[in-house]
Amino acid sequence: EAEVAQSPRYKITEKSQAVAFWCDPISGHATLYWYRQILGQGPELLVQFQDESVVDDSQLPKDRFSAERLKGVDSTLKIQPAELGDSAMYLCASSLEDARPNEQYFGPGTRLTVT
Amino acid sequence: GESVGLHLPTLSVQEGDNSIINCAYSNSASDYFIWYKQESGKGPQFIIDIRSNMDKRQGQRVTVLLNKTVKHLSLQIAATQPGDSAVYFCAENNNFNKFYFGSGTKLNVKP
Repeated sequence: EAEVAQSPRYKITEKSQAVAFWCDPISGHATLYWYRQILGQGPELLVQFQDESVVDDSQLPKDRFSAERLKGVDSTLKIQPAELGDSAMYLCASSLEDARPNEQYFGPGTRLTVT
Repeated sequence: GESVGLHLPTLSVQEGDNSIINCAYSNSASDYFIWYKQESGKGPQFIIDIRSNMDKRQGQRVTVLLNKTVKHLSLQIAATQPGDSAVYFCAENNNFNKFYFGSGTKLNVKP
């Protein structure tokens, strides 16, 4: 069964350092999402891509976060500089492009700890 | 922002019993809902979905009920098993493929 791949699975970094997370969606899925999940809470959307274009980044802290999906396939989320409050699980999800909303498939996530 | 909340943060049930997890949503324009299961250290896993033109949908051991009048969603798990122990999230969609998640209910299944 096809899965969303993410790496690394765990990342520990010091505050003010830069970190990057990678996501490879399920083949053929045009829509890709990055979520942040703070412990004990539900995922919060950071950015949504349709192919290579950003369709929603209203919740992305653009002063320190950036995301790209240059070829419309895999994607990278970067934080620079990292802050203590960025410690969370970063989840990537993908879904088929369709006229109606479809289920999202999630990757295993990257657990970020900022010290 | 959207408000998707759960009534009970933790639910404990006996193995073999039925479980009911509830979720309230705030946006009457939401037209698609998903229930996810998340085990510790893993990403959310799709369980079942329902569109707003339905009020009930059944899967294998799970049933989702949608009451649009009171903006309420529930997940029923029949014959709950230890493997069902996880955090369950509901998510709503009201803007093509943009989802809002609730804060989750932790289900503990006692053997």
